[in-house]
Amino acid sequence: DQQVKQNSPSLSVQEGRISILNCDYTNSMFDYFLWYKKYPAEGPTFLISISSIKDKNEDGRFTVFLNKSAKHLSLHIVPSQPGDSAVYFCAANNAGKSTFGDGTTLTVKP
Amino acid sequence: ETGVTQTPRHLVMGMTNKKSLKCEQHLGHNAMYWYKQSAKKPLELMFVYNFKEQTENNSVPSRFSPECPNSSHLFLHLHTLQPEDSALYLCASSQARDPSNEQFFGPGTRLTVL
Repeated sequence: DQQVKQNSPSLSVQEGRISILNCDYTNSMFDYFLWYKKYPAEGPTFLISISSIKDKNEDGRFTVFLNKSAKHLSLHIVPSQPGDSAVYFCAANNAGKSTFGDGTTLTVKP
Repeated sequence: ETGVTQTPRHLVMGMTNKKSLKCEQHLGHNAMYWYKQSAKKPLELMFVYNFKEQTENNSVPSRFSPECPNSSHLFLHLHTLQPEDSALYLCASSQARDPSNEQFFGPGTRLTVL
């Protein structure tokens, strides 16, 4: 049973537009949620996180929204840039242990 | 060196070989992790070490043997692997008491078992 799911394996957007990446989870005990970005031949790098007691966290062009009743979080990137093209993983934490989604490959076209 | 480093970056081995993967972190962290990433699958947590003590073994077969001699170094010893063990092996580190558990990843070792 996969506790963290990213149902869209890929997403393509035009430069300057908004990218919205989605993540669903099943375990209501998760207390922190994170997004990581991964370029080819590199390990994932941390992007932004949100505590389960909040519903929004913003950092520059990146905003994460958390809807606990729907067990859903999303990452908004605006405006999208070609350098944002990468695989994005969401992760959910419980008792210091992270569970990752499958990843969504974002392509931002110039 | 900064961040998290892993060696080798690529490894090809036969099923009867014995090899080791090495991970080193220069961030002063006290928790270290091994993950496996197979094609089209999510990152799978294998082992967790906190303050050099193993705190998680996610039902990993005994042909994978971790070793953490100090909080900066982590090894994964491999022996009699199977072709289905071919994957990207990622090491990560974090501060053990960081509530967000933000992890810093190495570049990974691409392992191919023939």
